[in-house]
Amino acid sequence: DQQVKQNSPSLSVQEGRISILNCDYTNSMFDYFLWYKKYPAEGPTFLISISSIKDKNEDGRFTVFLNKSAKHLSLHIVPSQPGDSAVYFCAAKYNQGGKLIFGQGTELSVKP
Amino acid sequence: DSGVTQTPKHLITATGQRVTLRCSPRSGDLSVYWYQQSLDQGLQFLIQYYNGEERAKGNILERFSAQQFPDLHSELNLSSLELGDSALYFCASSVGPSLADTQYFGPGTRLTVL
Repeated sequence: DQQVKQNSPSLSVQEGRISILNCDYTNSMFDYFLWYKKYPAEGPTFLISISSIKDKNEDGRFTVFLNKSAKHLSLHIVPSQPGDSAVYFCAAKYNQGGKLIFGQGTELSVKP
Repeated sequence: DSGVTQTPKHLITATGQRVTLRCSPRSGDLSVYWYQQSLDQGLQFLIQYYNGEERAKGNILERFSAQQFPDLHSELNLSSLELGDSALYFCASSVGPSLADTQYFGPGTRLTVL
């Protein structure tokens, strides 16, 4: 049972344009959501997070939007840079526990 | 560099064998987590420790065990290895187990079972 889903395995964007990565979840008990970026042969790197009581969080070029009624979140990267090319994972947490439940990842390719 | 270290980086072993993966958390972090990333299952939570005590368990096989030592480093022991145990094993650490405590991941150990 995939509780966190990233339906797009890959995304290609031109440098300077906006990248939008999407994530859907099924469990309404999730209280916290995070995005991680992963390069090959490295561990996931934390990007940005959002609490379930908010609908938007911004950090530099990265903005995460949360739509609780639709059980959907998205990561916007503006402007996209070639160095952003990586696999992006969406993850969710419950209030009581620390474990992260990950989506399958979306591979972003930013072309110069 | 996240500050989380894992050794070894690569491990090649045979079926039926036992291996130990080691993790040192970031300075000041009390919580340690282990995750497995395989091709078909993605990143899956295995187990969490907080200040030496087991706090949460995920889909961890009975052949696998872990512990967190007084100096806060952690070890993941995998025994009676099978071909399907080949995967990347990541350790992560956070200050505590609270909701907003960010988990920082190590570079991983790639385990290959032949």
